Amino acid sequence: EPEVTQTPSHQVTQMGQEVILRCVPISNHLYFYWYRQILGQKVEFLVSFYNNEISEKSEIFDDQFSVERPDGSNFTLKIRSTKLEDSAMYFCATHKLSDQETQYFGPGTRLLVL
Amino acid sequence: AQSVTQLDSQVPVFEEAPVELRCNYSSSVSVYLFWYVQYPNQGLQLLLKYLSGSTLVKGINGFEAEFNKSQTSFHLRKPSVHISDTAEYFCAVRPRLYNTDKLIFGTGTRLQVFP
Repeated sequence: EPEVTQTPSHQVTQMGQEVILRCVPISNHLYFYWYRQILGQKVEFLVSFYNNEISEKSEIFDDQFSVERPDGSNFTLKIRSTKLEDSAMYFCATHKLSDQETQYFGPGTRLLVL
Repeated sequence: AQSVTQLDSQVPVFEEAPVELRCNYSSSVSVYLFWYVQYPNQGLQLLLKYLSGSTLVKGINGFEAEFNKSQTSFHLRKPSVHISDTAEYFCAVRPRLYNTDKLIFGTGTRLQVFP
């Protein structure tokens, strides 16, 4: 069964550094999402992306964050200047047009900002 | 706005016993309802969903959930659990609005099944 994959599985970075988290969606899925889960807290929506543009974003998704599909397959989340509070598990999710209610999640990237 | 409450952060249970994981939600609009499961080192996997119709929905791995509109609940049940059901379970809602498809999650319930 096709799966959403994410790289890296773990990332440790210094505060102020840029990080790029990568997601490879299932091949016929055109809707993409990023969620995050700070340790011990809820999974929170960050952003949705369709047709090469942001469809919706939360108040968490400020100017430090950006998303893109650089090569038509990968879907990336960039944090320009990381803060301590960005430490979290970041999940990518996708769905296809014919099944908009089912989002398929990747295994996550655990980001630790020191 | 919507919110989801999972009152039990951890539920310990012995193998072959029944289990119920509780989920309540708050919303000013109608919602779709979901349960996801996360096994160690894996992503979130959809267990079941309620979109419309029968309020009792059946999912994978023998789980089922019942939508109760008056109590704004969507509790997850399984009549007999296995060791392999040990995982984190997340309840989520999605507003029935044309301009959003984001999921709003609860904090999760860790189900620990003991032999």
